[in-house]
Amino acid sequence: GAVVSQHPSRVICKSGTSVKIECRSLDFQATTMFWYRQFPKQSLMLMATSNEGSKATYEQGVEKDKFLINHASLTLSTLTVTSAHPEDSSFYICSARKGADTEAFFGQGTRLTVV
Amino acid sequence: QKEVEQNSGPLSVPEGAIASLNCTYSDRVSQSFFWYRQYSGKSPELIMSIYSNGDKEDGRFTAQLNKASQYVSLLIRDSQPSDSATYLCAVKKNSGYALNFGKGTSLLVTP
Repeated sequence: GAVVSQHPSRVICKSGTSVKIECRSLDFQATTMFWYRQFPKQSLMLMATSNEGSKATYEQGVEKDKFLINHASLTLSTLTVTSAHPEDSSFYICSARKGADTEAFFGQGTRLTVV
Repeated sequence: QKEVEQNSGPLSVPEGAIASLNCTYSDRVSQSFFWYRQYSGKSPELIMSIYSNGDKEDGRFTAQLNKASQYVSLLIRDSQPSDSATYLCAVKKNSGYALNFGKGTSLLVTP
């Protein structure tokens, strides 16, 4: 399989601050990365598709001005949660495709807690 | 109707038994199907992918796909306590390459 690294694994922030999460493909180039969010006992919900060198495509109901996605290189995508609120507390997971394959390889996830 | 449906469980099987996990999907044109295992607090890890009708075996795991019935399943033979986890069924979205996930089935293998 391919290796996708996500950092940080855990973060606690104060309400109103911003948090940046990084997702890196370590051994392959990923033209497309995906950001998911998972609440307790719920499934993974796709937030946005991140395309290298272009704007991200957001799913319906996801605020693009709140969840800023940047995919500046073929190995790095970042998700910034701006003006975080307690309801943004969740498990954020990135994934990446390896070329033409359709398997998604996941990062380790980031547990965000907003206090 | 949700796009990918799974019984949330928990499904409890004794060690050494066969665990059978089921999934149905709503998009008839879907072509790519995946099973992921997720331990509590961890991100999902890919177990199997299947694209054609029939069975696909990999070690103790067998994925079964029936596109006519829009049904995909995962069999785990000789279940071990370490197999206890949530199993997520995923179907590639018709547009783009993202995946639609079911809620997952919680599996408990008892010693």
